[in-house]
Amino acid sequence: SAVISQKPSRDICQRGTSLTIQCQVDSQVTMMFWYRQQPGQSLTLIATANQGSEATYESGFVIDKFPISRPNLTFSTLTVSNMSPEDSSIYLCSVELGAGTYEQYFGPGTRLTVT
Amino acid sequence: LAKTTQPISMDSYEGQEVNITCSHNNIATNDYITWYQQFPSQGPRFIIQGYKTKVTNEVASLFIPADRKSSTLSLPRVSLSDTAVYYCLVGDNKLVFGAGTILRVKS
Repeated sequence: SAVISQKPSRDICQRGTSLTIQCQVDSQVTMMFWYRQQPGQSLTLIATANQGSEATYESGFVIDKFPISRPNLTFSTLTVSNMSPEDSSIYLCSVELGAGTYEQYFGPGTRLTVT
Repeated sequence: LAKTTQPISMDSYEGQEVNITCSHNNIATNDYITWYQQFPSQGPRFIIQGYKTKVTNEVASLFIPADRKSSTLSLPRVSLSDTAVYYCLVGDNKLVFGAGTILRVKS
């Protein structure tokens, strides 16, 4: 398994501002993922972040709105840019420990409220 | 990616065995079936994964018939702490979460 931490755990932000969420893993992993979970809803994959390459975004998510960094094998950041109240969600990162295992471990999430 | 269908909710009592069935009629040949559990205010937690027949671990069993068009997660002797949302996913590492099944365990 893996221990994943996220910072901040929660934040309240003004519309129009940006927030960067950090995800730290206690072991080196190739594949990291970012998800969004809106209140009372299921999870939606935002993007896949592999070290050394550009993040791959899912339909409906764009780099200008959700820029992602992956500087090394244990760390990634997701920025939510130019926020609006519709961005209020829980943002979660996850990792896949072994290629082809399809078994992911999730961080505790960052609860974002945009006012 | 194959779509999955699960019951929206289930109720059970402590000590009972709970079986949650997931339908995935369009599963592809190389797709795995994976179940996750999510408690409120936490990220999902991997429970079990299988490709065919039966898989068992310390937490649950997963039954997959020969045609692989459905699967059943079996939780033996549930307790109050098993109250959570259970997600069935089919595919590879691009996890597509459906609505999940809300399991409520009562005393």
